[in-house]
Amino acid sequence: QQQVKQSPQSLIVQKGGISIINCAYENTAFDYFPWYQQFPGKGPALLIAIRPDVSEKKEGRFTISFNKSAKQFSLHIMDSQPGDSATYFCAASKLSGYKLSFGAGTTVTVRA
Amino acid sequence: EAEVAQSPRYKITEKSQAVAFWCDPISGHATLYWYRQILGQGPELLVQFQDESVVDDSQLPKDRFSAERLKGVDSTLKIQPAELGDSAMYLCASSIRGPGELFFGEGSRLTVL
Repeated sequence: QQQVKQSPQSLIVQKGGISIINCAYENTAFDYFPWYQQFPGKGPALLIAIRPDVSEKKEGRFTISFNKSAKQFSLHIMDSQPGDSATYFCAASKLSGYKLSFGAGTTVTVRA
Repeated sequence: EAEVAQSPRYKITEKSQAVAFWCDPISGHATLYWYRQILGQGPELLVQFQDESVVDDSQLPKDRFSAERLKGVDSTLKIQPAELGDSAMYLCASSIRGPGELFFGEGSRLTVL
């Protein structure tokens, strides 16, 4: 059973545009929500993460928005660049436990 | 920069053969994970070690998969016998202790013919 549902499966955006990826979860015990970025042939790398005590976190061009009541969180990539072309995974876990559950991934293609 | 080392990067084998993957986590990282990533899907946890002890192996197909981390440092994941459905990327990751940022290796891509 997939604990984190991610959409869309893929998206194409023009350079300078905004990429938005959405995730939803069911387990209300989750309290740690990271996003990982994966380039072809490489392992995933942590991009940004959020705890449910804040509704938004921004690091450079990347922003996580978190809606605890809706059990949803999203990644916004502002001013998208060709170098942002990658697969993005949302994930969730309990900090008191260890198991990180990943979404299915979104492949982002930024056209120059 | 410290990295998680994995080998081999690529492995092609015939079904019913045995395969083994090796992982060396970042020095000092107590927690080690093995994930399986099927093409087009997110990573799925197979087994998690805290030092040399297994914390979670609930998704590990124990009839054919085994994993060990004898001295609490490097780890080996074995599949015997391999089946066609085992074709996937096998990712090793480590973290300082428990959840938080996972550092992934580049993975071992297995193709079973």
